Amino acid sequence: DVKVTQSSRYLVKRTGEKVFLECVQDMDHENMFWYRQDPGLGLRLIYFSYDVKMKEKGDIPEGYSVSREKKERFSLILESASTNQTSMYLCASSLGGGSKTQYFGPGTRLLVL
Amino acid sequence: AQRVTQPEKLLSVFKGAPVELKCNYSYSGSPELFWYVQYSRQRLQLLLRHISRESIKGFTADLNKGETSFHLKKPFAQEEDSAMYYCALRLNSGGSNYKLTFGKGTLLTVNP
Repeated sequence: DVKVTQSSRYLVKRTGEKVFLECVQDMDHENMFWYRQDPGLGLRLIYFSYDVKMKEKGDIPEGYSVSREKKERFSLILESASTNQTSMYLCASSLGGGSKTQYFGPGTRLLVL
Repeated sequence: AQRVTQPEKLLSVFKGAPVELKCNYSYSGSPELFWYVQYSRQRLQLLLRHISRESIKGFTADLNKGETSFHLKKPFAQEEDSAMYYCALRLNSGGSNYKLTFGKGTLLTVNP
């Protein structure tokens, strides 16, 4: 059974803080993704990684960066948190190549004050 | 650029009634379409994909390339079908063929 875990379910941070969201998968998946989920906007891809140390920008990368030093771990970094980054953040992973199911983590609800 | 449109934010039906969640896409190539579902307090999960041509939990979806649609249907809705449903598209060519583009979602409520 695929397991994608995220380090926190809820997080409260202050404007300007540096925020780290961690995601770990235990199925040796090549691809990992970070989305944000907002009511009325659906899921929007922030960044994804198809291999260790490899990353590509998604549709809304501004204000975010990522790190993938190990295959099982994909970190999302908010360099200087802002209130408009208050959201639900979802991590997902999938096997390499196309046409593969994405498996999602439980999400981290981030509130930036 | 590819786009996925789910025209209904909210859909409410009664138990036992047929349900159809609409999904339209814009993409000039040959895409792969998916439906993902998120039940209350659960994580997002795959419901079905068009290439599998299978019925999951009584739901089916047919890819209509002429109308660029991938509507999700169930003949008799159940209360446990209440959830948020997302339609998603994957490009079948190009370097980013593992990316999914999601629609904005439809919240289905099945009333007793």
